[in-house]
Order: sequence, then structure tokens, then C-alpha cells
Amino acid sequence: GENVEQHPSTLSVQEGDSAVIKCTYSDSASNYFPWYKQELGKRPQLIIDIRSNVGEKKDQRIAVTLNKTAKHFSLHITETQPEDSAVYFCAASIGFAGNQFYFGTGTSLTVIP
Amino acid sequence: DSGVTQTPKHLITATGQRVTLRCSPRSGDLSVYWYQQSLDQGLQFLIQYYNGEERAKGNILERFSAQQFPDLHSELNLSSLELGDSALYFCASSVGDDEQFFGPGTRLTVL
Repeated sequence: GENVEQHPSTLSVQEGDSAVIKCTYSDSASNYFPWYKQELGKRPQLIIDIRSNVGEKKDQRIAVTLNKTAKHFSLHITETQPEDSAVYFCAASIGFAGNQFYFGTGTSLTVIP
Repeated sequence: DSGVTQTPKHLITATGQRVTLRCSPRSGDLSVYWYQQSLDQGLQFLIQYYNGEERAKGNILERFSAQQFPDLHSELNLSSLELGDSALYFCASSVGDDEQFFGPGTRLTVL
């Protein structure tokens, strides 16, 4: 099955700096890559996703890039704010109805005011 | 609010006991997924149902079982509970091959 690796496991940045989290996947058939944010004690929530027919996607301060050849994708957060502090999970899936998500192990991001 | 509901919110029980966690997916979502999240751990995929049928199995223990009913709600049954089963259990649902919507979770404490 698919194997998703995520790095780093913890990340501290100063407010206003950028944060980058990287994930690699093993199954070239994977074609959907979501990123979830989980605040302490809360449910994971989708913040951005990308499909394999797209190389980059942006939503305000958040962007995701995908390199299909190298089988890796990254989350970029610019102008970080304290409310960005959370655990971020990447995932990969082979898109069809009722597919399984393979999650990375999570990155705990701390934004220092 | 994601539209996915889970009950109960909290559950405290003793080792050796059996509990049932319930999940109602978003209206129209056919897929239900169960995840276990232990303290400071990632999301461990347990099992997936699609329109009443088991679709995929992850690291689910033999002491655990699940089912999805005709009305698409799902139950996760945990038996012979051990201390190590204490965790947050999430249910998620999706309509197709994209975003999974997570419920608020059930926090299980085994004493």
C-alpha cells in the first residue's frame, strides 16, 4: 500500500516568517493530496488540497506544490501568525469513490509571537 | 461544524469492558472512515465502509469491529478494552474521492 512520510515532526518559526512542511509518497497511482490542520483537542480540518494534474495551488497565505516525478508535495505558509500554530497532516490517496487516505505522521508548528 | 456527528463525546470505562462509538456521516456521504489518535500521535486509520460494505482495513485490532447500517450511520465496537486503547477516536465521511470531513471525536479513557 501507499506510504507517506512527513518532515519535520516539529517546526518553530517567528511570527511573519514562512513555514514549509514536506511529504513524500510511494505509490505513483496516488492522485489526490490534501492537507489537514488540527488544533489542540479539535478535529482535523482541510486547509488545502491538490490533484495530480496540477503543480501548484494557492489560497491566500497557504500554498501547496506537487512534484509527481519525485513523488513529493509540500505545504507553504507565508507571513505566519500565532493562530497558525497547530499540527498539520498531509495525506495521499488514489482517487475513486470511497478511497482510503494515507496520512503522514504530522508536523507540530509553533509560531512564536 | 463539519456535519459529521459522533456520540458520545467522552467515555470513561474500565479495562476488560466493551464500548460502542457511534457516527453519523454528512447527508449524502456514502463513505465512513474510523481513525484512532493516541496522545501526541498521528491519525491511525482503522477501517472504512462504503455504502454499507467494508472497503478497506487498516491497523484495526481483532478486538475492534465496525459496521455501517442501511441509514449509513456507523458504529465502532471496542471490546476487552486495555489501557492502551485510551485515545481520541475520529469518524470521517466523504461523498467521493476527495475531502474527508471529520467529526468532533470521541475521547475514550480506559482506567
